[in-house]
Amino acid sequence: SQELEQSPQSLIVQEGKNLTINCTSSKTLYGLYWYKQKYGEGLIFLMMLQKGGEEKSHEKITAKLDEKKQQSSLHITASQPSHAGIYLCGADRPGTYKYIFGTGTRLKVLA
Amino acid sequence: NAGVTQTPKFRILKIGQSMTLQCTQDMNHNYMYWYRQDPGMGLKLIYYSVGAGITDKGEVPNGYNVSRSTTEDFPLRLELAAPSQTSVYFCASRDPRGPGANVLTFGAGSRLTVL
Repeated sequence: SQELEQSPQSLIVQEGKNLTINCTSSKTLYGLYWYKQKYGEGLIFLMMLQKGGEEKSHEKITAKLDEKKQQSSLHITASQPSHAGIYLCGADRPGTYKYIFGTGTRLKVLA
Repeated sequence: NAGVTQTPKFRILKIGQSMTLQCTQDMNHNYMYWYRQDPGMGLKLIYYSVGAGITDKGEVPNGYNVSRSTTEDFPLRLELAAPSQTSVYFCASRDPRGPGANVLTFGAGSRLTVL
């Protein structure tokens, strides 16, 4: 199993609906990063969370990191077709310099 | 500002052939990474480098080799290509210092098919 597990694996929602994507780590997270990938393209950075209980928002996307720093959620309010793509959580491992990613969540928004 | 440039964008290989995926960045980033993404899946780390002359294995290094002779370039070598190496490969880099220390800049990807 991977160090970072995401759920659900895929999601289809009607435009205007809210949705949540989860990212769970088998180790304590020192930093958790959310990226979005449009189909067939590279990843674009969305948000970074580093403190337990931290919450950040950008436009209609809110990301949270739990107090124990092992789980993060990404919430999209009033989804739009432009939100479609693959969402990935990432984490770096201090001391190893590795930067790993989760299993990904494929989002489709129906107009 | 080109960022991270990967070549080629597409390639078809026969089983047993070898090839090199090129990655160049012009941002003077010390840290560079190679990932593979299988259809519908997340990214898996193949190799990474924290500076010229320094490389280390990631999660799935078997069947690949890398080198880092300069800060700018981080080529990924596939020896004896196998169908299991059919994937999209992404190169990424970051500067471990400053406000963007934890943000990766990605290339556009190289789609490799092994038949």
